Amino acid sequence: TQLLEQSPQFLSIQEGENLTVYCNSSSVFSSLQWYRQEPGEGPVLLVTVVTGGEVKKLKRLTFQFGDARKDSSLHITAAQPGDTGLYLCAGEVVGSSNTGKLIFGQGTTLQVKP
Amino acid sequence: NAGVMQNPRHLVRRRGQEARLRCSPMKGHSHVYWYRQLPEEGLKFMVYLQKENIIDESGMPKERFSAEFPKEGPSILRIQQVVRGDSAAYFCASSPTKNSPLHFGNGTRLTVT
Repeated sequence: TQLLEQSPQFLSIQEGENLTVYCNSSSVFSSLQWYRQEPGEGPVLLVTVVTGGEVKKLKRLTFQFGDARKDSSLHITAAQPGDTGLYLCAGEVVGSSNTGKLIFGQGTTLQVKP
Repeated sequence: NAGVMQNPRHLVRRRGQEARLRCSPMKGHSHVYWYRQLPEEGLKFMVYLQKENIIDESGMPKERFSAEFPKEGPSILRIQQVVRGDSAAYFCASSPTKNSPLHFGNGTRLTVT
């Protein structure tokens, strides 16, 4: 059972296009994080959202946490080839062991073609 | 770069051998997490340790896998009698407190032949 469902799993777009990646769950999360992973490397944290309805912007990336804290989205404006990579959402379920253990989505592989 | 250091980066083992994966957390971080990643998949939690203690090992297979984080030295993930299904990338992450963002190493890619 996948607690965090990411969609789409694969996305191939042209430079300059916009895109949105979704992360959905039936569970409530105390916080949700987005990571980006390059081939052969570990995930690198992009952002953490903690409040329902919160919106955070990081240059051309916009992150939103759902009001009920069950879902999140990542929107990229005017994608560039440098945005290519694997995007992962992860969170800690409310009521879990409170150990900081993260549940990860299966990831979205983004390819931006020049 | 004083980030999380994992070694070796690549490890090849024959079926039945032992694999030892090492992780040195960032300076000042006493919380260590191990995750496993299969190709084209997200990361699966294995174990969470705090200096000398295993806090949560709910993601670790009951047999052949063990982890430690001694008072001195790196955290070790040990896989005994490896099988082909153990082939994966193993990532270590550390944090200064249990609810702080995780900092990941670049992983050890284990291949079992």
